[in-house]
Amino acid sequence: GESVGLHLPTLSVQEGDNSIINCAYSNSASDYFIWYKQESGKGPQFIIDIRSNMDKRQGQRVTVLLNKTVKHLSLQIAATQPGDSAVYFCAENKGNQGGKLIFGQGTELSVKP
Amino acid sequence: GAVVSQHPSWVICKSGTSVKIECRSLDFQATTMFWYRQFPKQSLMLMATSNEGSKATYEQGVEKDKFLINHASLTLSTLTVTSAHPEDSSFYICSARRPNGETQYFGPGTRLLVL
Repeated sequence: GESVGLHLPTLSVQEGDNSIINCAYSNSASDYFIWYKQESGKGPQFIIDIRSNMDKRQGQRVTVLLNKTVKHLSLQIAATQPGDSAVYFCAENKGNQGGKLIFGQGTELSVKP
Repeated sequence: GAVVSQHPSWVICKSGTSVKIECRSLDFQATTMFWYRQFPKQSLMLMATSNEGSKATYEQGVEKDKFLINHASLTLSTLTVTSAHPEDSSFYICSARRPNGETQYFGPGTRLLVL
């Protein structure tokens, strides 16, 4: 069935390095994508979003890239810090679904000091 | 901002009892709220969409008589787990969306443990 999935369930990086978290989606009709960060025992926290009419969007230390040709989404975190350790989820809004989001399986990012 | 709160943050109850969880949007009005359930090491599973002033829309496989949702105001939605059983133990998370908005803002979650 349709889903949003992640290539890597776990990612370990050294503090200060850049992190790249990937996500694949299957529905070409999806028009809005969001990355969330979830720390242990907490609710997801909005990081950054991107619409399907864009290829790239930058925030503070984060960049989201969207490749509609291969239905791929990535989150890049620059100069990763220990506080970035969390599970990261991508989510897609398929449109005409009442605003429902479909979540990927999540990637656990571990930052080594 | 877009702050969403949940109460309680955690609850332990005996099997067979009912538990009510509140979700509030603190600094904006939310015509639509969503309820999710999350098991350990898993993703969020949408349970239902809560619309202010109307009946909730439940996802396939979610029992509407077991998970009662009420969205009586633009800032409050409640989820009641009726006759809770140990298999209902989970992390319940709500989200809220501004009118005409797409981004969902999440609450801190409620951990339910049914003994």
